[in-house]
Amino acid sequence: DAGVIQSPRHEVTEMGQEVTLRCKPISGHDYLFWYRQTMMRGLELLIYFNNNVPIDDSGMPEDRFSAKMPNASFSTLKIQPSEPRDSAVYFCASSLKQGNTEAFFGQGTRLTVV
Amino acid sequence: GESVGLHLPTLSVQEGDNSIINCAYSNSASDYFIWYKQESGKGPQFIIDIRSNMDKRQGQRVTVLLNKTVKHLSLQIAATQPGDSAVYFCAENYPPNNAGNMLTFGGGTRLMVKP
Repeated sequence: DAGVIQSPRHEVTEMGQEVTLRCKPISGHDYLFWYRQTMMRGLELLIYFNNNVPIDDSGMPEDRFSAKMPNASFSTLKIQPSEPRDSAVYFCASSLKQGNTEAFFGQGTRLTVV
Repeated sequence: GESVGLHLPTLSVQEGDNSIINCAYSNSASDYFIWYKQESGKGPQFIIDIRSNMDKRQGQRVTVLLNKTVKHLSLQIAATQPGDSAVYFCAENYPPNNAGNMLTFGGGTRLMVKP
């Protein structure tokens, strides 16, 4: 398996534009997580899905952020409209369902909003 | 992944020495803990995990120790190598036994290995 795949690796956009980040989890993993990493706040969980269903979105900063998982092999995180303070590295991770297991992370998308 | 925090604790060790990275976790009810390694430009990578019914677990060159009394976790790296230079995060599964495997991450420690 190629691991968790995220695209794009880098995104530079202007304030006010819509940004869509994409993730393909590891095949067979039932859980998918979106994290944001910044210098000030470290790694923060934004939302996670179980079997394509959003379970906890309490980490989503505000209504400008939305995430979907239309099928087991694809998820998106959308920011609309984007703001400079959204600049961060966004990670997608996936894990198996059996009990406590590690999450496998993608390489991340570095988002810069100017 | 970018550097996390302008004020990341940094541990500097000589190549070949042993490293000990410490972590204080937040929640006494957490039942599962993981150490991750993050190299520049990459996502966090799993190193080793431990469940709350254990106090020690060993892997290849790494050992994790768990002290539930004081909510402390440590990662020991034997014979540290230049390739071990990275930021290390501890993570706890909290709330425990939740519907998923939510992980709450610590702030990270930067390990620098001097040749």
